Amino acid sequence: GDSVTQMEGPVTLSEEAFLTINCTYTATGYPSLFWYVQYPGEGLQLLLKATKADDKGSNKGFEATYRKETTSFHLEKGSVQVSDSAVYFCALRYNFNKFYFGSGTKLNVKP
Amino acid sequence: EADIYQTPRYLVIGTGKKITLECSQTMGHDKMYWYQQDPGMELHLIHYSYGVNSTEKGDLSSESTVSRIRTEHFPLTLESARPSHTSQYLCASSEGRNGLAFFGQGTRLTVV
Repeated sequence: GDSVTQMEGPVTLSEEAFLTINCTYTATGYPSLFWYVQYPGEGLQLLLKATKADDKGSNKGFEATYRKETTSFHLEKGSVQVSDSAVYFCALRYNFNKFYFGSGTKLNVKP
Repeated sequence: EADIYQTPRYLVIGTGKKITLECSQTMGHDKMYWYQQDPGMELHLIHYSYGVNSTEKGDLSSESTVSRIRTEHFPLTLESARPSHTSQYLCASSEGRNGLAFFGQGTRLTVV
């Protein structure tokens, strides 16, 4: 069935470092892909999305490109800030709007 | 900004008590979801609804039940809480076939 696999955390970086969080998916058809972010004590917030192959989603300096050939949707940011510390979830949409979430990757950014 | 609300935010309750977690959205979304988030952060779909009077079990078996009598309201009930029900519960909603999922802030439930 459809699924998402993302890299395990935690990921610890210094401020202004480059971030990559890997996400790969398995799906029949062409799912839409998402990154959500969860700050401590909060629910999930949509960070960015891509609905078809080669689409690039971007928001707040984060980017991810829908790569059909490698079935990937890696999250990147060129220069992280302490305020980016959170848990990041890769997700895909399947079966008439059900969402499947990856296991989450915790990011810690140190000053 | 998403308009989906969960109450209470935090709840500590004794074993055997009946509890209802509330979830309301003001966006008119037809689809609503309940996810259980374990301490390892994974999210598991436990219930979803495609509209009024429609409810389905999710991918993770749960002893909780849900109802959808009104579009905006999707409460989750545990008839007899147990320590194994201790978790964070996240409610979400989306619109149509291609709508985004918007999440509430979650209810952190502790059963002692």
